[in-house]
Amino acid sequence: EIVLTQSPGTLSLSPGERATLSCRASQSVSNNYLAWHQQRPGQAPRLLIYGASNRATGIPDRFSGSGSGTDFTLTISRLEPEDFAVYYCLQHGSSPWTFGQGTKLEIK
Amino acid sequence: EVQLAESGGGLVQPGGSLRLSCAASGFTFSTYWMFWVRQAPGKGLVWVSHINSDGSNTNYADSVKGRFTISRDNAKNTLFLQMNSLRAEDTAVYYCARDRRFNGQDWGQGTLVTVSS
Repeated sequence: EIVLTQSPGTLSLSPGERATLSCRASQSVSNNYLAWHQQRPGQAPRLLIYGASNRATGIPDRFSGSGSGTDFTLTISRLEPEDFAVYYCLQHGSSPWTFGQGTKLEIK
Repeated sequence: EVQLAESGGGLVQPGGSLRLSCAASGFTFSTYWMFWVRQAPGKGLVWVSHINSDGSNTNYADSVKGRFTISRDNAKNTLFLQMNSLRAEDTAVYYCARDRRFNGQDWGQGTLVTVSS
Protein backbone atom coordinates (compact mmCIF):
# COMPACT_ATOMS: atom_id res chain seq x y z
CA GLU A 1 0.00 0.00 0.00
CA ILE A 2 1.29 3.44 -0.93
CA VAL A 3 1.34 5.79 2.05
CA LEU A 4 0.87 9.48 1.27
CA THR A 5 2.25 11.97 3.78
CA GLN A 6 1.05 15.56 3.51
CA SER A 7 2.83 18.50 5.05
CA PRO A 8 2.31 20.69 6.84
CA GLY A 9 -0.67 19.42 8.79
CA THR A 10 -1.93 22.97 9.23
CA LEU A 11 -0.90 26.05 7.29
CA SER A 12 -1.79 29.52 8.61
CA LEU A 13 -1.68 32.26 6.00
CA SER A 14 -3.41 35.50 5.08
CA PRO A 15 -5.49 36.25 1.99
CA GLY A 16 -3.24 37.29 -0.87
CA GLU A 17 -0.34 35.15 0.29
CA ARG A 18 1.08 32.12 -1.52
CA ALA A 19 0.42 28.60 -0.22
CA THR A 20 2.61 25.58 -0.89
CA LEU A 21 1.31 22.15 0.13
CA SER A 22 3.37 18.96 -0.11
CA CYS A 23 2.39 15.34 -0.69
CA ARG A 24 5.09 12.67 -0.44
CA ALA A 25 4.49 9.04 -1.44
CA SER A 26 6.18 6.00 0.07
CA GLN A 27 6.55 4.53 -3.44
CA SER A 28 6.42 5.96 -6.92
CA VAL A 29 2.87 6.85 -8.01
CA SER A 30 2.02 4.94 -11.14
CA ASN A 31 1.66 7.07 -14.28
CA ASN A 32 1.33 10.20 -12.12
CA TYR A 33 -2.17 9.18 -11.09
CA LEU A 34 -2.11 11.82 -8.37
CA ALA A 35 -5.04 14.12 -7.72
CA TRP A 36 -5.66 16.99 -5.34
CA HIS A 37 -9.09 17.58 -3.79
CA GLN A 38 -10.40 20.48 -1.77
CA GLN A 39 -12.97 20.06 1.00
CA ARG A 40 -14.69 23.03 2.54
CA PRO A 41 -16.46 22.60 5.90
CA GLY A 42 -19.69 20.66 5.59
CA GLN A 43 -19.17 20.02 1.88
CA ALA A 44 -18.14 17.12 -0.30
CA PRO A 45 -14.63 17.02 -1.73
CA ARG A 46 -14.02 18.74 -5.06
CA LEU A 47 -11.43 17.84 -7.67
CA LEU A 48 -8.81 20.55 -8.21
CA ILE A 49 -5.89 18.86 -9.96
CA TYR A 50 -5.56 15.54 -11.82
CA GLY A 51 -2.53 13.83 -13.32
CA ALA A 52 -0.38 15.77 -10.83
CA SER A 53 -0.44 19.01 -12.82
CA ASN A 54 -3.71 19.42 -14.75
CA ARG A 55 -6.39 21.78 -13.48
CA ALA A 56 -9.91 20.38 -13.44
CA THR A 57 -12.67 22.17 -15.31
CA GLY A 58 -13.65 25.46 -13.69
CA ILE A 59 -10.70 25.61 -11.30
CA PRO A 60 -9.06 29.07 -11.17
CA ASP A 61 -5.54 29.38 -12.53
CA ARG A 62 -4.19 30.43 -9.13
CA PHE A 63 -4.20 26.69 -8.37
CA SER A 64 -1.32 24.68 -9.82
CA GLY A 65 0.11 21.23 -9.28
CA SER A 66 3.56 19.86 -9.92
CA GLY A 67 5.75 16.87 -9.24
CA SER A 68 6.21 13.28 -10.26
CA GLY A 69 7.29 9.95 -8.83
CA THR A 70 7.10 10.39 -5.07
CA ASP A 71 7.03 14.15 -4.52
CA PHE A 72 4.08 16.36 -5.40
CA THR A 73 3.15 19.95 -4.66
CA LEU A 74 -0.06 21.99 -4.77
CA THR A 75 0.49 25.73 -5.01
CA ILE A 76 -2.11 28.45 -4.56
CA SER A 77 -0.54 31.64 -5.87
CA ARG A 78 -2.73 34.26 -4.16
CA LEU A 79 -5.11 33.07 -1.50
CA GLU A 80 -8.75 34.07 -1.71
CA PRO A 81 -11.10 33.79 1.31
CA GLU A 82 -12.85 30.78 -0.22
CA ASP A 83 -9.56 28.85 -0.46
CA PHE A 84 -9.34 28.28 3.27
CA ALA A 85 -10.26 24.61 3.49
CA VAL A 86 -8.73 21.14 3.82
CA TYR A 87 -6.74 19.74 0.91
CA TYR A 88 -6.18 16.05 0.24
CA CYS A 89 -3.90 14.32 -2.21
CA LEU A 90 -5.05 10.98 -3.62
CA GLN A 91 -3.06 8.34 -5.47
CA HIS A 92 -5.26 6.20 -7.71
CA GLY A 93 -2.66 4.37 -9.75
CA SER A 94 -2.25 1.40 -7.43
CA SER A 95 -4.74 -0.58 -5.39
CA PRO A 96 -5.68 0.18 -2.72
CA TRP A 97 -6.20 3.83 -3.50
CA THR A 98 -4.87 5.99 -0.69
CA PHE A 99 -5.37 9.54 0.50
CA GLY A 100 -3.01 11.76 2.40
CA GLN A 101 -4.15 12.78 5.86
CA GLY A 102 -4.96 16.30 4.66
CA THR A 103 -3.55 19.80 5.06
CA LYS A 104 -5.80 22.34 6.75
CA LEU A 105 -5.33 25.80 5.30
CA GLU A 106 -6.51 28.35 7.87
CA ILE A 107 -6.70 32.11 8.00
CA LYS A 108 -3.89 33.69 9.99
CA GLU B 1 -24.12 18.12 -15.63
CA VAL B 2 -22.78 15.16 -13.69
CA GLN B 3 -24.87 14.38 -10.63
CA LEU B 4 -24.34 11.71 -8.00
CA ALA B 5 -26.98 11.46 -5.29
CA GLU B 6 -26.44 9.10 -2.36
CA SER B 7 -29.27 7.81 -0.18
CA GLY B 8 -29.92 5.11 2.37
CA GLY B 9 -27.88 6.37 5.29
CA GLY B 10 -29.20 6.50 8.83
CA LEU B 11 -28.91 5.13 12.34
CA VAL B 12 -28.31 1.40 12.72
CA GLN B 13 -27.39 -0.78 15.66
CA PRO B 14 -24.05 -2.59 15.86
CA GLY B 15 -24.27 -5.84 13.93
CA GLY B 16 -27.01 -4.47 11.69
CA SER B 17 -27.16 -3.89 7.95
CA LEU B 18 -27.73 -0.97 5.64
CA ARG B 19 -27.82 -0.56 1.87
CA LEU B 20 -26.60 2.66 0.33
CA SER B 21 -27.62 3.77 -3.14
CA CYS B 22 -26.09 6.31 -5.49
CA ALA B 23 -28.21 7.57 -8.38
CA ALA B 24 -26.11 8.82 -11.28
CA SER B 25 -27.10 11.20 -14.06
CA GLY B 26 -25.52 13.46 -16.64
CA PHE B 27 -23.12 10.87 -18.04
CA THR B 28 -23.06 7.37 -19.50
CA PHE B 29 -22.99 5.48 -16.22
CA SER B 30 -22.28 2.06 -17.75
CA THR B 31 -18.89 3.15 -19.12
CA TYR B 32 -17.30 4.33 -15.87
CA TRP B 33 -15.73 2.62 -12.89
CA MET B 34 -17.31 3.81 -9.65
CA PHE B 35 -16.21 3.81 -6.05
CA TRP B 36 -17.14 4.58 -2.43
CA VAL B 37 -15.11 6.66 0.02
CA ARG B 38 -15.96 7.33 3.65
CA GLN B 39 -15.08 10.00 6.17
CA ALA B 40 -15.47 9.43 9.89
CA PRO B 41 -16.47 12.51 11.92
CA GLY B 42 -13.57 14.96 12.06
CA LYS B 43 -11.29 12.60 10.14
CA GLY B 44 -9.86 12.27 6.65
CA LEU B 45 -11.01 10.51 3.50
CA VAL B 46 -10.66 6.74 3.21
CA TRP B 47 -11.22 4.64 0.08
CA VAL B 48 -13.70 1.82 0.72
CA SER B 49 -14.46 -0.03 -2.50
CA HIS B 50 -14.28 0.05 -6.28
CA ILE B 51 -16.25 -1.56 -9.09
CA ASN B 52 -15.51 -1.72 -12.80
CA SER B 53 -17.90 -0.60 -15.50
CA ASP B 54 -19.79 -3.89 -16.00
CA GLY B 55 -19.66 -4.99 -12.37
CA SER B 56 -17.45 -8.00 -12.97
CA ASN B 57 -14.51 -6.75 -10.93
CA THR B 58 -14.59 -5.36 -7.39
CA ASN B 59 -12.05 -4.33 -4.81
CA TYR B 60 -12.34 -3.59 -1.08
CA ALA B 61 -10.38 -2.03 1.74
CA ASP B 62 -9.24 -4.63 4.27
CA SER B 63 -11.36 -2.96 6.94
CA VAL B 64 -14.62 -3.80 5.12
CA LYS B 65 -13.69 -6.96 3.20
CA GLY B 66 -16.19 -9.75 3.84
CA ARG B 67 -18.76 -7.34 5.32
CA PHE B 68 -19.47 -4.84 2.52
CA THR B 69 -20.51 -5.58 -1.06
CA ILE B 70 -20.40 -3.09 -3.90
CA SER B 71 -22.65 -3.59 -6.91
CA ARG B 72 -24.30 -1.66 -9.69
CA ASP B 73 -27.38 -1.68 -11.92
CA ASN B 74 -26.37 -0.12 -15.23
CA ALA B 75 -29.96 -0.23 -16.50
CA LYS B 76 -31.00 2.02 -13.61
CA ASN B 77 -27.80 4.09 -13.42
CA THR B 78 -27.39 3.21 -9.78
CA LEU B 79 -24.47 2.18 -7.59
CA PHE B 80 -24.96 0.28 -4.33
CA LEU B 81 -23.08 -0.53 -1.17
CA GLN B 82 -24.50 -3.33 0.96
CA MET B 83 -23.08 -3.03 4.46
CA ASN B 84 -23.46 -5.94 6.88
CA SER B 85 -22.15 -6.64 10.39
CA LEU B 86 -21.79 -2.92 10.99
CA ARG B 87 -19.50 -1.67 13.72
CA ALA B 88 -19.18 1.62 15.55
CA GLU B 89 -16.04 2.38 13.56
CA ASP B 90 -18.08 2.27 10.33
CA THR B 91 -19.78 5.51 11.41
CA ALA B 92 -18.99 8.01 8.67
CA VAL B 93 -20.25 10.04 5.76
CA TYR B 94 -20.18 7.78 2.72
CA TYR B 95 -19.48 9.36 -0.66
CA CYS B 96 -19.96 7.75 -4.02
CA ALA B 97 -17.73 8.95 -6.80
CA ARG B 98 -17.06 8.51 -10.49
CA ASP B 99 -13.62 7.35 -11.55
CA ARG B 100 -12.42 9.18 -14.65
CA ARG B 101 -9.11 7.36 -14.49
CA PHE B 102 -6.27 9.77 -15.32
CA ASN B 103 -8.76 12.65 -15.42
CA GLY B 104 -9.69 12.42 -11.78
CA GLN B 105 -12.85 11.93 -9.77
CA ASP B 106 -16.32 13.43 -9.36
CA TRP B 107 -18.11 13.28 -6.02
CA GLY B 108 -21.60 12.99 -4.66
CA GLN B 109 -22.76 14.95 -1.61
CA GLY B 110 -22.56 12.01 0.78
CA THR B 111 -24.88 10.19 3.15
CA LEU B 112 -24.32 9.78 6.89
CA VAL B 113 -24.22 6.34 8.46
CA THR B 114 -24.30 6.16 12.25
CA VAL B 115 -23.72 2.84 13.99
CA SER B 116 -24.80 3.06 17.60
CA SER B 117 -26.99 1.34 20.15
